[in-house]
Amino acid sequence: AAGVIQSPRHLIKEKRETATLKCYPIPRHDTVYWYQQGPGQDPQFLISFYEKMQSDKGSIPDRFSAQQFSDYHSELNMSSLELGDSALYFCASSLPSKRPNYGYTFGSGTRLTVV
Amino acid sequence: AQSVTQPDIHITVSEGASLELRCNYSYGATPYLFWYVQSPGQGLQLLLKYFSGDTLVQGIKGFEAEFKRSQSSFNLRKPSVHWSDAAEYFCAVGHILTGGGNKLTFGTGTQLKVEL
Repeated sequence: AAGVIQSPRHLIKEKRETATLKCYPIPRHDTVYWYQQGPGQDPQFLISFYEKMQSDKGSIPDRFSAQQFSDYHSELNMSSLELGDSALYFCASSLPSKRPNYGYTFGSGTRLTVV
Repeated sequence: AQSVTQPDIHITVSEGASLELRCNYSYGATPYLFWYVQSPGQGLQLLLKYFSGDTLVQGIKGFEAEFKRSQSSFNLRKPSVHWSDAAEYFCAVGHILTGGGNKLTFGTGTQLKVEL
């Protein structure tokens, strides 16, 4: 079965550089979520999109932006990277629902290391 | 605001022993509850979920969880642990987003170590 695809799997950037993370949801899933998991931390919600519109925003720094495209894939753009941005970034997708009864499917994550 | 508490940061059990991981939640309405497992450097895999109905839910890999509204708990159990169950386990509560979809709030996780 198709899963959520994230690319790249690993990324190393220097401070103040820019990074772009990509997420390809499961076919027919039109809701995409981004989470950040720091070392030894629980995943923290960053932002979500439903039908290409931002549906909610969590603890996402102003240096980060994201969008969902017409084919429903999403990109998380991170600028002026800081050492503290080093984390595992997860994307998840789901079918639209007024109740979370479909649950999420998470991708394997992109591990970003800022040096 | 919703929150999830996992009181045990680390748990060690012997292979073959029973397991119970604790999860307490705070949520103003009917909670939608999940358990996820994460192996080192890997993604989050859904073990089971509760939305309504039978308070004892069965999941994958032999796991089950029981929803107890009176105790605001959703503890994860397994009768006999296998060495491959060693991983980090996250409890989460789901919150419906008015803009569409739903957001998960995770607990801080419980690291399970299995002794052979």
